[in-house]
Amino acid sequence: KAGVTQTPRYLIKTRGQQVTLSCSPISGHRSVSWYQQTPGQGLQFLFEYFSETQRNKGNFPGRFSGRQFSNSRSEMNVSTLELGDSALYLCASSLGHRDSNYEQYFGPGTRLTVT
Amino acid sequence: QQQVKQSPQSLIVQKGGIPIINCAYENTAFDYFPWYQQFPGKGPALLIAIRPDVSEKKEGRFTISFNKSAKQFSLHIMDSQPGDSATYFCAASKKTSGSRLTFGEGTQLTVNP
Repeated sequence: KAGVTQTPRYLIKTRGQQVTLSCSPISGHRSVSWYQQTPGQGLQFLFEYFSETQRNKGNFPGRFSGRQFSNSRSEMNVSTLELGDSALYLCASSLGHRDSNYEQYFGPGTRLTVT
Repeated sequence: QQQVKQSPQSLIVQKGGIPIINCAYENTAFDYFPWYQQFPGKGPALLIAIRPDVSEKKEGRFTISFNKSAKQFSLHIMDSQPGDSATYFCAASKKTSGSRLTFGEGTQLTVNP
């Protein structure tokens, strides 16, 4: 099976702009989670989508949003970009059935730089 | 109560050595504990995972030891190789939080030839 894919791999944006990142999960996986990775804060959970519904949300401002499509592909959007949003954004997919934990597999990430 | 504490922050060993990375958690509701390996420029890759009903799990050269009463778990890498040089993250999750993982701070491992 193909792994988790993320596009684009690199992005440079200007403060105040918005950005959309895309994630395609492993075939058959219905859960997609997004994480932000920075040197200072490490890996932090943003949100999880399962069957097109947000199931979990981390402690990030409302500028960070996402959605999931019927084919399980997911997009993440960040509006009004700030310099501190520069990070590696990682997507992870899993089977994701409720009331169970399944292995999560990460994509290569999108490196976002805000100038 | 959601934190996972990882140590050491960095670790240097010689080829063939057995690096040990430790993690401690607070939330007793956590019931799944994976370890991830990350190389520069790559996403984290799942190495091995354990559930609290067992005290040890081995997969190849990687072993997880789990101490439920102490709320601690550790990763041992047997016969370490230079190719094992990477950043290792422990994590924890609980069934009621779906796929949400809480990560430790990471350990940068260097294995010298």
